[in-house]
Amino acid sequence: DVKVTQSSRYLVKRTGEKVFLECVQDMDHENMFWYRQDPGLGLRLIYFSYDVKMKEKGDIPEGYSVSREKKERFSLILESASTNQTSMYLCASSLPGQGARQPQHFGDGTRLSIL
Amino acid sequence: AQKITQTQPGMFVQEKEAVTLDCTYDTSDQSYGLFWYKQPSSGEMIFLIYQGSYDEQNATEGRYSLNFQKARKSANLVISASQLGDSAMYFCAMREGEDSSYKLIFGSGTRLLVRP
Repeated sequence: DVKVTQSSRYLVKRTGEKVFLECVQDMDHENMFWYRQDPGLGLRLIYFSYDVKMKEKGDIPEGYSVSREKKERFSLILESASTNQTSMYLCASSLPGQGARQPQHFGDGTRLSIL
Repeated sequence: AQKITQTQPGMFVQEKEAVTLDCTYDTSDQSYGLFWYKQPSSGEMIFLIYQGSYDEQNATEGRYSLNFQKARKSANLVISASQLGDSAMYFCAMREGEDSSYKLIFGSGTRLLVRP
């Protein structure tokens, strides 16, 4: 089974802090994604990565950056945390080139509160 | 314009009965894929079922089936013989194109509560 592990289930940080959310997958997937989930809005894509050191902006990249130095690890960075970044953050991974049927596999999520 | 619409914010169903969760989508691509995910209160997203735009038959996976009506652009999830463990949020999602590296576009979700 694919295992996507997010470093924290719950995190509380202060406004202005630099925040790191870590995600590791164990299935050698090329593709990795970061979403945020808010009530009534579903999941929205922040950033994704096709390969090591590659990154692409998603729908809501403002205030975030990412890092992919190793294939198995994809980090989301809140450069200067703000209260409107309080949310549930979900990491996902998938294989490329397997046809459209390949699902994304998700981690358990990180509930981040910015005070 | 929303690409994935789930019009039911919340639904109830009696245990052992069937329930249909609605999903409509909007795309100009001929090739696309539709996914349903389940999210229990614990937070993880669990992949349930997939329907490809060129699939001639409706997808089925155990108690889950997908009522795919291409002309109406709808992909409703049917859960048969509901169980208490089916209580969760359910998300419909779409991938446009053939490559699995394409992003998923999610609906706002439907919260299902199964009554004993």
